[in-house]
This record gives sequence, structure tokens and C-alpha cells, in this order.
Amino acid sequence: SQTIHQWPATLVQPVGSPLSLECTVEGTSNPNLYWYRQAAGRGLQLLFYSVGIGQISSEVPQNLSASRPQDRQFILSSKKLLLSDSGFYLCAWSPRNRDNYGYTFGSGTRLTVV
Amino acid sequence: GIQVEQSPPDLILQEGANSTLRCNFSDSVNNLQWFHQNPWGQLINLFYIPSGTKQNGRLSATTVATERYSLLYISSSQTTDSGVYFCAPRRGGGADGLTFGKGTHLIIQP
Repeated sequence: SQTIHQWPATLVQPVGSPLSLECTVEGTSNPNLYWYRQAAGRGLQLLFYSVGIGQISSEVPQNLSASRPQDRQFILSSKKLLLSDSGFYLCAWSPRNRDNYGYTFGSGTRLTVV
Repeated sequence: GIQVEQSPPDLILQEGANSTLRCNFSDSVNNLQWFHQNPWGQLINLFYIPSGTKQNGRLSATTVATERYSLLYISSSQTTDSGVYFCAPRRGGGADGLTFGKGTHLIIQP
């Protein structure tokens, strides 16, 4: 069966420090991968998605970037964190070329920028 | 993108009560999911339901795609049902992600 892993679970970082969050998927090949952020309040905002190695689409301009160095690995990064980058970051995957299939989310990383 | 409205935004019920959560969306979709976010933040997939009706235990969901809405029914509520319920549709035709509503915050009191 497929599983999705995210780490770390929680992170406290000072303003101006770099960031690297990692997400990996097991048990499937060629997944679509996604990064979402949930800021204060409830809504989830799509940040990035990827349909393959090295292919990244950005949904909103921001202080963050994403990379996909391997088929089942998705990394969210920042060179210099801002206070506004605080939030709950969730990675998700869905099967490639299958519109009629649900998305599965990881357990999330709670980031606090101080 | 798709606009998603969920109602009510907050709901407080006694254990054992039934509830209906509504999701309206602005465009035709070929994918719609309901999620429950537990107190630890985990998003748990409840239903994949782009159309029709599904049931899973005390929960059921109905999506009327032609009228652009979906309903989530919770019967005989339990305290463990507390949390935030999200509706997330997608237009399809590509790899773009789900669009989330703001959620319904449900509190079940013992």
C-alpha cells in the first residue's frame, strides 16, 4: 500500500534562517506531488505541485521554492524565512493521469518562525 | 479558480445529534473530496465523491454536480467527530491540486 511521510513534525526557526521540509511517497510510481500551507485560520492554500522530476509549478508568489530531485521526493525550501512563513505545511500525492482518484495527505509540519 | 463556500462555519452539537454540512462550488468538477482534520492537524480522507451518494458507517455524502453542491451527513455524533471538515473540489484535466473551502468547525459536546 502507498504511504506518505513528512518530516520534521514540528520546527521552530528564527527569522532569516533557511528551511528544508521533506516529503516522500512509498508504494507508487510517478505520483503527482503537492505542497499546501494552512496559515492561521482554517483554509489550505496550494503552494506548489509537480508532475515529474524537476517539474515544478508554483501557484502563488512567495518566499518559498520547491524541488523534486527524485520521483517520490518533494522538498520545500526557503533561503531566508519570514515571520509570515509560519504555518502548517502539508504534502500530498495523487496518481498520475487518474482524475478519478483521491488525494492523500501526509501528517504535516508545523513551522513557527520567531 | 473554483470558489468554494462551506456552511455553517461553526457548529456545536450534543453527542448523539445529527448534522448536515454543505459545500457549494462555482464550477463543474470531476473530483471532490471531504476531509476531517483532527486536533493534531492530520487530514483524513472521508469520501471521494465527484457525484452521487456514498455511505461509510455513520457518515454519508451526496454530490449533485449539475447543481454544484455537496452535502456531508453525520448521524449519531460522537465526541471524536469534533474537528474541522473540509470540502475540496477539483476541475480536473490536469495535475493542479484540490481547492479547499474554509471548513466547518464542528464541536460535539458530551
